[in-house]
Amino acid sequence: EAGVAQSPRYKIIEKRQSVAFWCNPISGHATLYWYQQILGQGPKLLIQFQNNGVVDDSQLPKDRFSAERLKGVDSTLKIQPAKLEDSAVYLCASSLGQSGYTFGSGTRLTVV
Amino acid sequence: SQQGEEDPQALSIQEGENATMNCSYKTSINNLQWYRQNSGRGLVHLILIRSNEREKHSGRLRVTLDTSKKSSSLLITASRAADTASYFCGTGANNLFFGTGTRLTVIP
Repeated sequence: EAGVAQSPRYKIIEKRQSVAFWCNPISGHATLYWYQQILGQGPKLLIQFQNNGVVDDSQLPKDRFSAERLKGVDSTLKIQPAKLEDSAVYLCASSLGQSGYTFGSGTRLTVV
Repeated sequence: SQQGEEDPQALSIQEGENATMNCSYKTSINNLQWYRQNSGRGLVHLILIRSNEREKHSGRLRVTLDTSKKSSSLLITASRAADTASYFCGTGANNLFFGTGTRLTVIP
């Protein structure tokens, strides 16, 4: 079974620039999550999708972050404009029902 | 806060010893999940325990859950150097919230 794919693996941008991350979940997993993990901290949930609908985006900074999951499969997370404090690893995960989550390797974002 | 909190923050043991880490949470849960994260990698699912279960085993892992105390523990027996990682508990009703984790170092 293929895992959760994320790209790019690393990204360095200047503050105020835009960036987008891509995630391809495990085939058949209806639920997809984006987490932000700042160095030394645990993952923080940004948004949860069920198929192509948003279930929970209460912790997503909507003034600069946006996410979509077209056709209920792949998802993109965008930051526009980026701030220094957005430097973190962005993790995508997927799950089926009440099972454990499968995480991707993440995208490490550095904002300079 | 919906997140679980792991304790201790850091733990260092000799190879072959047992490692115990704890998780406390505040809200109702459907299940509680433990994950491992190696440096620079994503989280790997270890074990899921449902709210109506009290104990679960998987290989060298033993997880307990006490819903009356809103706490869980993860025991790793006969630790190996490869167990060196950060361990997180995930709690929540419809999605998972994580604490800051326990950083385990197993010394060969």
